Amino acid sequence: AQSVTQPDIHITVSEGASLELRCNYSYGATPYLFWYVQSPGQGLQLLLKYFSGDTLVQGIKGFEAEFKRSQSSFNLRKPSVHWSDAAEYFCAVAIGGSNYKLTFGKGTLLTVNP
Amino acid sequence: DAGVIQSPRHEVTEMGQEVTLRCKPISGHNSLFWYRQTMMRGLELLIYFNNNVPIDDSGMPEDRFSAKMPNASFSTLKIQPSEPRDSAVYFCASSLTEDSYEQYFGPGTRLTVT
Repeated sequence: AQSVTQPDIHITVSEGASLELRCNYSYGATPYLFWYVQSPGQGLQLLLKYFSGDTLVQGIKGFEAEFKRSQSSFNLRKPSVHWSDAAEYFCAVAIGGSNYKLTFGKGTLLTVNP
Repeated sequence: DAGVIQSPRHEVTEMGQEVTLRCKPISGHNSLFWYRQTMMRGLELLIYFNNNVPIDDSGMPEDRFSAKMPNASFSTLKIQPSEPRDSAVYFCASSLTEDSYEQYFGPGTRLTVT
């Protein structure tokens, strides 16, 4: 079965600094890859997704992610973090075909210092 | 669009009581997903429906849990009898089709079983 690892439970950055959140997956083939964000007390919102093609994908709110097959990684990046980006971020995978389930990582909590 | 609506937002009940969580998906969405989120296990898929039919309930923890979708605009998740280990945040999500993967999450129901 596929699995997702987010190695960082909690990251703190200063406002205006760059951000990279790590995600590694375990699956024999290339899965479909996603990043979701959860603000406090809210449900999850899709930031971006990768199915195939260009390995650098752009998402909402200025986020981007890069798929690296050799590293089984799909790291999320933002060049300049805003205080409103403070939230929990979840990486997820799906194996496609007739299996439509998403498997989520445990999440990375982002704190933004002023 | 009102988004995915869940009720109640908070539920506190005593062990042994029946609990019913409700979800109204986004109009026009054909797939509905129930998730449970806990600190220990993260976000887990419990069951999903496509066109009101349960497709995969392999994540339902045990017979105390049941889910129904009597029509395209309403679903319930019932726990009977409830136990303290059922305490969690339960999310409902919907998507346009089962293979669109862009799931829209409701705000969640925080369940506390004492």
